[in-house]
Amino acid sequence: DQQVKQNSPSLSVQEGRISILNCDYTNSMFDYFLWYKKYPAEGPTFLISISSIKDKNEDGRFTVFLNKSAKHLSLHIVPSQPGDSAVYFCAASQGNKLVFGAGTILRVKS
Amino acid sequence: DAGVIQSPRHEVTEMGQEVTLRCKPISGHNSLFWYRQTMMRGLELLIYFNNNVPIDDSGMPEDRFSAKMPNASFSTLKIQPSEPRDSAVYFCASSLEELHEQYFGPGTRLTVT
Repeated sequence: DQQVKQNSPSLSVQEGRISILNCDYTNSMFDYFLWYKKYPAEGPTFLISISSIKDKNEDGRFTVFLNKSAKHLSLHIVPSQPGDSAVYFCAASQGNKLVFGAGTILRVKS
Repeated sequence: DAGVIQSPRHEVTEMGQEVTLRCKPISGHNSLFWYRQTMMRGLELLIYFNNNVPIDDSGMPEDRFSAKMPNASFSTLKIQPSEPRDSAVYFCASSLEELHEQYFGPGTRLTVT
């Protein structure tokens, strides 16, 4: 049973436009959410996070939104750049443990 | 500042052989995690340690898998005997126990033939 779901396997966006990556979760006990970016042959890299007591966190071009009632979070990247092309993983935290989604491949076209 | 270090980066072995994967966490981090990534199951947590003590090994697939952390700067994941279905990328990650953010190593790609 997948507790964290990323239903879009891939997303293609034009350079300069907004990229929106989505994530849904089922466990209401999750108290913290994170996004990771992964390039081929590298480990996942922490990108941005949000506590369950907030609904928005912004860091430069990256913004994460959390809708607790819908058990949904999203990552907005604006403007998108070709270097943002990677696999993006959503993760949810329960205590020390992270549960990861399956990932979304983002391709930013120049 | 060095990140999480894993060795080897690639390992090819024959079925039945013992495999040992190594990890050096970020200095000062007191939590260490072993993950496995496969196409079928994605990124799944195998085991994690706090202050060198195994806390949760419920993700370890079977008795063929074992992990140790003899000190704060070193951990091993051992598979004995290895099987073709163990082929995957194995990641080690570390964090400060009071924080949620985990920092990953580059992974070890294991192929068992």
